[in-house]
Amino acid sequence: GAVVSQHPSWVICKSGTSVKIECRSLDFQATTMFWYRQFPKQSLMLMATSNEGSKATYEQGVEKDKFLINHASLTLSTLTVTSAHPEDSSFYICSATPLGITGNTIYFGEGSWLTVV
Amino acid sequence: AQSVAQPEDQVNVAEGNPLTVKCTYSVSGNPYLFWYVQYPNRGLQFLLKYITGDNLVKGSYGFEAEFNKSQTSFHLKKPSALVSDSALYFCAVSQETGGFKTIFGAGTRLFVKA
Repeated sequence: GAVVSQHPSWVICKSGTSVKIECRSLDFQATTMFWYRQFPKQSLMLMATSNEGSKATYEQGVEKDKFLINHASLTLSTLTVTSAHPEDSSFYICSATPLGITGNTIYFGEGSWLTVV
Repeated sequence: AQSVAQPEDQVNVAEGNPLTVKCTYSVSGNPYLFWYVQYPNRGLQFLLKYITGDNLVKGSYGFEAEFNKSQTSFHLKKPSALVSDSALYFCAVSQETGGFKTIFGAGTRLFVKA
């Protein structure tokens, strides 16, 4: 089946620094990828829709200057958490839908644990 | 706007017994409905989906779900639960408009006791 890879799986960074998380579709192309955030024992909250070649669409309440999203190619989207703070510590998950297939399954990455100390 | 509700935070069932995890949804058009399972500290694994066709959908690991349009429900079921089914289950809905933006329910934790 289709594979979505996230890197890194785990990252610890110091408060005030920036960290980048990559989301790659390994065997398919995706014009649209989605970024989610999940707090412990809670559901996934959609942060933004990442569109290849254009600006991301952010959900209400998500700071676009803090969570920078770049979708540089049909197989790669990156999420950069800028000036990270401890409250940004969370599980971040991306998803992607294969290009040109209507109603197909959304495939998820394994997630990236971010801890800001 | 689309939304998903999972009314139960937790479901407890004995091994070998049937299980049901409930899900209701709200969309303006035709829904695409999904069930995913999440094990601790892991991403989501796809179980099954309903796009069109038969209301009863069969998926991975013996799970199935029934689409009920009149009740706007998509309950997840399994005839005989296993201890290894214990995990967090998410119901999700998306639509073709908006590029398949997927909205998740709050999740239901399933405990299967031996």
